[in-house]
Amino acid sequence: AQTVTQSQPEMSVQEAETVTLSCTYDTSESDYYLFWYKQPPSRQMILVIRQEAYKQQNATENRFSVNFQKAAKSFSLKISDSQLGDAAMYFCAYSWVGKLIFGQGTTLQVKP
Amino acid sequence: DTAVSQTPKYLVTQMGNDKSIKCEQNLGHDTMYWYKQDSKKFLKIMFSYNNKELIINETVPNRFSPKSPDKAHLNLHINSLELGDSAVYFCASSQEGTGTTTDTQYFGPGTRLTVL
Repeated sequence: AQTVTQSQPEMSVQEAETVTLSCTYDTSESDYYLFWYKQPPSRQMILVIRQEAYKQQNATENRFSVNFQKAAKSFSLKISDSQLGDAAMYFCAYSWVGKLIFGQGTTLQVKP
Repeated sequence: DTAVSQTPKYLVTQMGNDKSIKCEQNLGHDTMYWYKQDSKKFLKIMFSYNNKELIINETVPNRFSPKSPDKAHLNLHINSLELGDSAVYFCASSQEGTGTTTDTQYFGPGTRLTVL
């Protein structure tokens, strides 16, 4: 069965610095998608970034980038120049047969 | 304009009651979903519908019954509410999603259900 693991329940970063959130997953499939979603205190689920498994190039969206290691089944999220508004819970998710399988989430604190 | 909307945002009710949560999307998507987020923030899919047809049913108690009157709407009706049903329920939608892995899902704001 597909599983997603986020081993860091909480992380903190100083404003303007860089932080990396870890995610590993387990699958026997070769074609799939991976996502990072952000959930601020407002509880809205916001898409941050997505990665297609068949693409070797790591996805980037402004200050957000991923390090996708397919063989290692690792999908980490790097946030550069952290801002106060980045404080939220971040969920890694694996897309399989039309459903998202989520990790446990990592709460990111941004210190001014 | 809100892409995926849910009503109500908060729902407080007594054990044993029946309640419904409504979801609407104006993205023109074919597939809609219900997810449950428990008190530990863990998110799990409950159902998905593609163009009014049930696609995914994740061993959810049959007290939960989704209904899709058209492809822009997916409602969740819950009978005989129990304390353990207290959670945040999210609706989501995607362009296709019929067994594909390609589609990005967009979420509604969530409905916090509290059963007393």
